[in-house]
Amino acid sequence: DAGVTQSPTHLIKTRGQQVTLRCSPKSGHDTVSWYQQALGQGPQFIFQYYEEEERQRGNFPDRFSGHQFPNYSSELNVNALLLGDSALYLCASSLQGAKDGYTFGSGTRLTVV
Amino acid sequence: AQSVTQLGSHVSVSEGALVLLRCNYSSSVPPYLFWYVQYPNQGLQLLLKYTTGATLVKGINGFEAEFKKSETSFHLTKPSAHMSDAAEYFCAVSDPFYTGGFKTIFGAGTRLFVKA
Repeated sequence: DAGVTQSPTHLIKTRGQQVTLRCSPKSGHDTVSWYQQALGQGPQFIFQYYEEEERQRGNFPDRFSGHQFPNYSSELNVNALLLGDSALYLCASSLQGAKDGYTFGSGTRLTVV
Repeated sequence: AQSVTQLGSHVSVSEGALVLLRCNYSSSVPPYLFWYVQYPNQGLQLLLKYTTGATLVKGINGFEAEFKKSETSFHLTKPSAHMSDAAEYFCAVSDPFYTGGFKTIFGAGTRLFVKA
């Protein structure tokens, strides 16, 4: 049973560019949450998708947007990249709610130069 | 608003010694509480969780944690450390009654070092 799959694993972008990160949730999960983890810090909540709708959002600017598809997979888009956007981006899937905790992917390491 | 505080960004123990990682939370309602472990260049893996019922919960790899409402704590312990336990550990809290959906807030993490 495949867990959470994220692509790509590593990415280097230039300031001002746009990036799209992808996530396939664990089989049977319907909710996808995205987190940003800067070096040496805990994961910071970006937003959560359920039934193709953004259900909750953390304190991130509108440059961060997302989408969930009918098959529950999800994309994270970041526009006008800044150096400070360099981080590990983690996708976490779950069943509706958080009672059983999250299953995390291995993340996408984004470097902005 | 919920928050999580992990006391000590780094903890060092000898192999075979007790592991104690501290976590305090802030929540207006009884929360769901979690501990996750992260190995280098990997995602997070769920160690254990508290939702309702027994306040002492057991997880994988011999870890356990106790929910103490009066102290708003959820400390993680393991009787005997193993070299393979060296990793980053995150405490997390979620509000089970938020009708707009659930999000989980993570602490800043505690790096566990295990000395031979």
